[in-house]
Formats: sequence, structure tokens, C-alpha cells
Amino acid sequence: DQQVKQNSPSLSVQEGRISILNCDYTNSMFDYFLWYKKYPAEGPTFLISISSIKDKNEDGRFTVFLNKSAKHLSLHIVPSQPGDSAVYFCAATGNQFYFGTGTSLTVIP
Amino acid sequence: NAGVTQTPKFQVLKTGQSMTLQCAQDMNHNSMYWYRQDPGMGLRLIYYSASEGTTDKGEVPNGYNVSRLNKREFSLRLESAAPSQTSVYFCASSDVRIYTEAFFGQGTRLTVV
Repeated sequence: DQQVKQNSPSLSVQEGRISILNCDYTNSMFDYFLWYKKYPAEGPTFLISISSIKDKNEDGRFTVFLNKSAKHLSLHIVPSQPGDSAVYFCAATGNQFYFGTGTSLTVIP
Repeated sequence: NAGVTQTPKFQVLKTGQSMTLQCAQDMNHNSMYWYRQDPGMGLRLIYYSASEGTTDKGEVPNGYNVSRLNKREFSLRLESAAPSQTSVYFCASSDVRIYTEAFFGQGTRLTVV
């Protein structure tokens, strides 16, 4: 049973606009959440994270929001750039890392 | 700093052949993981090792075995490859600290014909 879900397989956004990627989880025991970015033929690379004691974490153009009551997190990219085109995975940690199915983001120049 | 190194990068096997995927990390991490990535399925955990000398099954362990050879190395073995094992395999490692990220290797693209 998938404990971390990304319901949008793909997303297209114009350059300069905001990209919003969503993720839902089912296990209320998860206490740390991460976003990874993956380019073709490369391994996933860590992007940004948030612990369950916070509801927002910002790093440059990237902001992650956590809504614990809804068991939902989102990644905002502002402004979006063509180099942001990649597959984005959200993950949650318990005794291991649980990954979602990924969202393929395309930023159109 | 190499991070997580996987070998080989590409491999083609015939059904029934065996092979071992190698993984080594130089970050002194305690935990290591093997994932497979398939279209529409995300990253699914095959096996993990929380520390040297221990291994545990993940979500999709059938058809695989692992060995935590030492703190640096964690290998994944396919004893009798099947077409369903065609996938991209990623090794990852992480520190024992809480609130830490996993670091991934470049991946091994395996095709079983």
C-alpha cells in the first residue's frame, strides 16, 4: 500500500510562473519529509526538506509547505526556470525512506 | 568525494542468468538501501541495511538477495533474472541521525531479455 502519493504524474508551467507540486501521505507517524529532483540518467538529488514541527521551509526559489492535519505537503518553485524541468519525488521517513511515484515537471521557455 | 558509487551502469541479462550489482559509499553512513524505479511506480524499496551486519526486506524483495559486506559496501544479487526485473536500480545511503537525507548513486539500468 502506497504510503506516500503524488497524484499528478506530470505538470507543465510557463517560465517565470509558479510551479506547485503536491504530495499526500497516510502515516501520521512520519516526522520528516523531503523533496528530491531527478534528471534522466542520473540518481535523485536532495532538494529541500521539512520536519513535522514546522509548516514551512524556504530555500531560495524553493518552498515546502506541510499541513499535518491534512497529511499533505507541497513544493512551490518561484519563479520556475527551464532547468527545473525534471521528475520530482516527495519522500517521508520512518525507519526507512518512503517515496511517492513522482511528478514530471516541464517548464516551457 | 565520490559519494555513492554503483557498478555497472548498464547491463543486459538473459532470463535465468545471475548477477550482482555493487554499491559503495564513502560518507561513513550506517544505513544503505536498494531501490528500483519503474515507470509510474516511483522508487520502491527492495532491501535496506540499517547498520553493518543487518538487512531487512523492503516493499519488493522477491527475486533478490543482499549482502552488507562491510560499512561501505552493500550488494544486490539477482539469482535467476526474470524480464519483470528489467528496471533502473538505485543504491542510496544515509546517516544514522534523524532528520537526514539519503544520497543516491547514478543508477544501474538493467534489461532482462
